[in-house]
Amino acid sequence: SQQGEEDPQALSIQEGENATMNCSYKTSINNLQWYRQNSGRGLVHLILIRSNEREKHSGRLRVTLDTSKKSSSLLITASRAADTASYFCATDEAQGAQKLVFGQGTRLTINP
Amino acid sequence: KAGVTQTPRYLIKTRGQQVTLSCSPISGHRSVSWYQQTPGQGLQFLFEYFSETQRNKGNFPGRFSGRQFSNSRSEMNVSTLELGDSALYLCASKPQALSSYEQYFGPGTRLTVT
Repeated sequence: SQQGEEDPQALSIQEGENATMNCSYKTSINNLQWYRQNSGRGLVHLILIRSNEREKHSGRLRVTLDTSKKSSSLLITASRAADTASYFCATDEAQGAQKLVFGQGTRLTINP
Repeated sequence: KAGVTQTPRYLIKTRGQQVTLSCSPISGHRSVSWYQQTPGQGLQFLFEYFSETQRNKGNFPGRFSGRQFSNSRSEMNVSTLELGDSALYLCASKPQALSSYEQYFGPGTRLTVT
């Protein structure tokens, strides 16, 4: 079963707006990662946040992690058409075999 | 460095046949993981290999198997193909078998079973 669940499943916004995606998970984790996938292609790593971190930035990306709520959010600021893609969170269980478990993803569409 | 490469990129097979997919990791990466992606089940972990040994395995039937060679290249095999095996198969590599490393994904092999 999926460890992470993204919300919303689909998001459509205008270019220039901010996009926020959320991820919830079930068990204690070592770290949480976000990946992007352009239609039917391989995934690209965006950012990794460790369980002892609360917030991390990378360019236009901001990720937060709340381990008490077992949730994370990915904020993309000043969105661009090229940001259109599916976004996945991936977690590894702290007590498990360190394999990554992906959520179902959020399909983000940026309208010009 | 060259990225992760997967061959073939597209494959059409018939039910009951078997298939072998290949993955060449980034040079120096010793861990290779395989994932199956379908619209219904999403991205599901198949297995991970590190130094020619299977380190982790997902919840897939024994028809799905894999191996890793001494140069870290990996293959996965699916025997007795079923229609439900139609999917995008992704492999990913990283330097070590630790979850704290980011994974580098290949473009995938699109398998269609008819």
